[in-house]
Amino acid sequence: QITLKESGPALVKPTQTLTLTCTFSGFSVTTTGAAVAWLRQPPGESLEWLAIIYWNDDKRYTPSLRSRLTITKDTSRDQVVLTMTNVDPVDTGTYFCAHSGVSSHDYWGPGILVTVSS
Amino acid sequence: IQLTQSPSFLSASVGDRVTITCRASQGINTYLAWYHQKPGKAPSLLIYAASSLHNGVSSRFSASGSATEFTLKISNLQPEDSGTYYCQQTKSFPLTFGGGTKVEIK
Repeated sequence: QITLKESGPALVKPTQTLTLTCTFSGFSVTTTGAAVAWLRQPPGESLEWLAIIYWNDDKRYTPSLRSRLTITKDTSRDQVVLTMTNVDPVDTGTYFCAHSGVSSHDYWGPGILVTVSS
Repeated sequence: IQLTQSPSFLSASVGDRVTITCRASQGINTYLAWYHQKPGKAPSLLIYAASSLHNGVSSRFSASGSATEFTLKISNLQPEDSGTYYCQQTKSFPLTFGGGTKVEIK
């Protein structure tokens, strides 16, 4: 079955770069149609879609964060990495990675809470 | 594309039938998904393509709609249905979510 899990630091300081890793199993990100997305949820708020990477290395980002985000995949390790530069306290929240089909995010990791604070 | 959910909160009893609405700021055909989230957990997919039930999801959930107006219905409400429900449009980037509907079981 498909599983995903996020890993990374729980606490980062403002202006630092945040690197999050999504390690998955049960599918290959090189299979035609496969995609992995990153999303986040500030405490008590709704969900925000951040970025997605496809099997063919096509990438899409949310425009409001485009200059700060980079999504990459490591097919040999079955991982997708999201980096966010110049973090701010407003970036505090739970970050999720999800396996993505054509019309939805069908399997999600449990999420990782990231706090941005000095 | 902005999604507006209503109501933002509802309280209902076990066995009730509830309806949640999601309105899109522009037409999205049937590119809409519904998710359920329990506190401290990741969202789980309920519905994709506006009306298709995801594998393993109870048939008590149903959804319909197209273009700008969508609904999610839960029949025979159960305690495990409590939590927050979100709609998401997958028509165009950036993908966006509604503000959520919190469902409380009386």
